Amino acid sequence: GENVEQHPSTLSVQEGDSAVIKCTYSDSASNYFPWYKQELGKRPQLIIDIRSNVGEKKDQRIAVTLNKTAKHFSLHITETQPEDSAVYFCAASLGGSYIPTFGRGTSLIVHP
Amino acid sequence: GAVVSQHPSRVICKSGTSVKIECRSLDFQATTMFWYRQFPKQSLMLMATSNEGSKATYEQGVEKDKFLINHASLTLSTLTVTSAHPEDSSFYICSASGTGRDKNIQYFGAGTRLSVL
Repeated sequence: GENVEQHPSTLSVQEGDSAVIKCTYSDSASNYFPWYKQELGKRPQLIIDIRSNVGEKKDQRIAVTLNKTAKHFSLHITETQPEDSAVYFCAASLGGSYIPTFGRGTSLIVHP
Repeated sequence: GAVVSQHPSRVICKSGTSVKIECRSLDFQATTMFWYRQFPKQSLMLMATSNEGSKATYEQGVEKDKFLINHASLTLSTLTVTSAHPEDSSFYICSASGTGRDKNIQYFGAGTRLSVL
């Protein structure tokens, strides 16, 4: 089955800096890669996703890149703000109703 | 986007009792729902996949007689933790896949924090 590795487990940055979280996956057939943000005690929420036919996607301060050959994808957050502090999960799936496999999560701490 | 409601948000029970957690899709029909368990500062561990009208599919290592799942309708799935023990204390989250254009997206419930004394 699919295996998703996520690094780092903890990331601490100063407000205004950029943050990068990286994930690798094992199943070359995976074609859908969502990122979820989970604030403390709350539900995970989708913040951005990318499909295998696209190399990069941006949404304001958030961007995701995908390298299919290397089987890795990354989340980039620019101009970080304290409210970006949360746990971020990457996931990989075959799309559709296939169950996503989640990474272990990255705890992002943005210091004011 | 789709909304998934999960209740209760918090439950404290005595060891040996059973606890039922409900997961509802409020504005869409979910033929498949997923149940996860999350330990502090850890990832989402898939416990089982709940299919409407059929038996749930459990992940390896998850006791089906311990964690009873019922998906009686297209909008409701329940997880019952039977004869709960302190080691069952955890954060349980359900999710459902969206429909149509959103079918790839997982919509999560708010989670249930179970504390077994």
